[in-house]
Amino acid sequence: EDKVVQSPLSLVVHEGDTVTLNCSYEVTNFRSLLWYKQEKKAPTFLFMLTSSGIEKKSGRLSSILDKKELFSILNITATQTGDSAIYLCAVEADERGSTLGRLYFGRGTQLTVWP
Amino acid sequence: NAGVTQTPKFQVLKTGQSMTLQCAQDMNHEYMSWYRQDPGMGLRLIHYSVGAGITDQGEVPNGYNVSRSTTEDFPLRLLSAAPSQTSVYFCASSLRRTTTDTQYFGPGTRLTVL
Repeated sequence: EDKVVQSPLSLVVHEGDTVTLNCSYEVTNFRSLLWYKQEKKAPTFLFMLTSSGIEKKSGRLSSILDKKELFSILNITATQTGDSAIYLCAVEADERGSTLGRLYFGRGTQLTVWP
Repeated sequence: NAGVTQTPKFQVLKTGQSMTLQCAQDMNHEYMSWYRQDPGMGLRLIHYSVGAGITDQGEVPNGYNVSRSTTEDFPLRLLSAAPSQTSVYFCASSLRRTTTDTQYFGPGTRLTVL
């Protein structure tokens, strides 16, 4: 059973649209939630969220975490064709018997932006 | 810095063959890990290491072995490849395994097992 669920699985929009990607999770001993952008190859880091209600922003991208309702959203405003990618959400949780956390990834949202 | 490098980029194996996927980083990172990514699935952790000489299993360790003899290198071995191991493999590293550390991913190895 998936611990991290992303929705939608795919999304097609036109340039200039605003999109919201969702990530819900169910883990015990939550540590942090991370967003990655994956184009053709390796994922690249976007945001790390640890506290509820504090928005993180980078240009046209922003993200916020709700630890009570166990979800996060990633917003992209004024989308561009270069935003086309898979957006991955990952949750880090404590691992029983270990001092280290473990990352659980969602399946990703495939975003396609048409010109 | 070259960052995280992986070789080969592509590999085709026959069932039962063995091979090693190489991963190296030049950032003096303590933590390294291997993931596999399958169509429609997220990244799944195979094995990880918190430093030279220390490794541990992730979510999907069966069929894979790792070792960490140096800080820089973290090879992933398939002892007897199976078609179910057809996937894209990513190696990642971070300075430490804490909530404040960003993971850096390698470019990936696309493996096909016939």
